Amino acid sequence: SAVISQKPSRDICQRGTSLTIQCQVDSQVTMMFWYRQQPGQSLTLIATANQGSEATYESGFVIDKFPISRPNLTFSTLTVSNMSPEDSSIYLCSVGGPLDGYTFGSGTRLTVV
Amino acid sequence: RKEVEQDPGPFNVPEGATVAFNCTYSNSASQSFFWYRQDCRKEPKLLMSVYSSGNEDGRFTAQLNRASQYISLLIRDSKLSDSATYLCVVSGGTSYGKLTFGQGTILTVHP
Repeated sequence: SAVISQKPSRDICQRGTSLTIQCQVDSQVTMMFWYRQQPGQSLTLIATANQGSEATYESGFVIDKFPISRPNLTFSTLTVSNMSPEDSSIYLCSVGGPLDGYTFGSGTRLTVV
Repeated sequence: RKEVEQDPGPFNVPEGATVAFNCTYSNSASQSFFWYRQDCRKEPKLLMSVYSSGNEDGRFTAQLNRASQYISLLIRDSKLSDSATYLCVVSGGTSYGKLTFGQGTILTVHP
């Protein structure tokens, strides 16, 4: 299965600022997924990122708040914009497919103060 | 109704016990099914995929009943290291690649 390097692993940010999270995959993948895990909750899909096209966002998530870049088949970034304390969560990227399952990055633990 | 429902537990069992987790899903168009394990402050890791024919991996057995939209995970001879949150995960339907997670079942195995 693919190996994902995600960074930063954690950050504490001031409200109103933005944070960009990076995921690097050790192989080329068509689709990358970004998830959020709020405290005490399970994971929720934010968006799906394909190389060369705009990301597809799930209900409740918008591009202005969570812009995503996918410049090539091994890399993607998620930006959390204009942060508020409610954005404090773990953010994870993922790759994979229905046959072999999905692999997750180690996550970015974000605290907004 | 949640798309994927699990009994959140917690399950507290002694070493060597057999424990079963259940999960139901609401989208009949779902095509792929998984059990993931998540340790505290870590990312989820794939435990096993689940097939209609059932599948076994060592002490772990997973079953899928498409007619009832029901998934199960059986852990035999529990070890202390099995303590974790177990996530029932469903994929497919109209959104390829989208994983829908249950809220997780907490398992604690004690000596």
